[in-house]
Amino acid sequence: QVQLQESGPGLMKPSGTLSLTCAVSGGSISSSNWWSWVRQPPGKGLEWIGEIYHSGSTNYNPSLKSRVTISVDKSKNQFSLRLSSVTAADTAVYYCARGVVVVVAATPHYYFDYWGQGTLVTVSS
Amino acid sequence: DIQMTQSPSSLSASVGDRVTITCRASQSISSFLNWFQQKPGKAPKLLIYGVFSLQSGVPSRFSGSGSGTDFTLTISSLQPEDFATYYCQQSYSIPRTFGQGTKVEIK
Repeated sequence: QVQLQESGPGLMKPSGTLSLTCAVSGGSISSSNWWSWVRQPPGKGLEWIGEIYHSGSTNYNPSLKSRVTISVDKSKNQFSLRLSSVTAADTAVYYCARGVVVVVAATPHYYFDYWGQGTLVTVSS
Repeated sequence: DIQMTQSPSSLSASVGDRVTITCRASQSISSFLNWFQQKPGKAPKLLIYGVFSLQSGVPSRFSGSGSGTDFTLTISSLQPEDFATYYCQQSYSIPRTFGQGTKVEIK
């Protein structure tokens, strides 16, 4: 059973850089999966931030791309998120998730199957 | 970006009711549509991928349909544990986008 666990500071000041880590257990981060970050402001919907493959290949949400870096540490079986120049608008529960690709009727489908429990990050002075 | 729009935003229903939630994409996404269930304080849980493929362990009262731009999640007989918020999500292109959610409440 794959498990993901986010860790990082719960409170930070505006203009700082948010850093979160997602530890993966029960499976290898070097498997053929993508590893994503998704966030959810309090009482609102889900926003995909970006993803990384174990090779280091990344995809980012254009709305956040200038401020986001996602990296992978295969030796620790974990991946990380850095979000710079944070404001109150970045206050959210941050989830890490595994993205898998399965072939159904010769068509590859991508979905998030395992998620971390989420960690609330509050940006406030 | 592909915009995903769900309707309704919320609904009230009783145990045993048939419930239908609609998701519309701003452009065709073929069959690259997933559905998630989220309960308060919990991470989203995958219900359906590829429009109609049920994730392992998900009850058969959940079903999905549609193609192109219009999709539907149906709960055939609502159970007490189904009261939650439901999200559609497209996997056709980057960025991966979600609908705004549909909250299913107890009538």
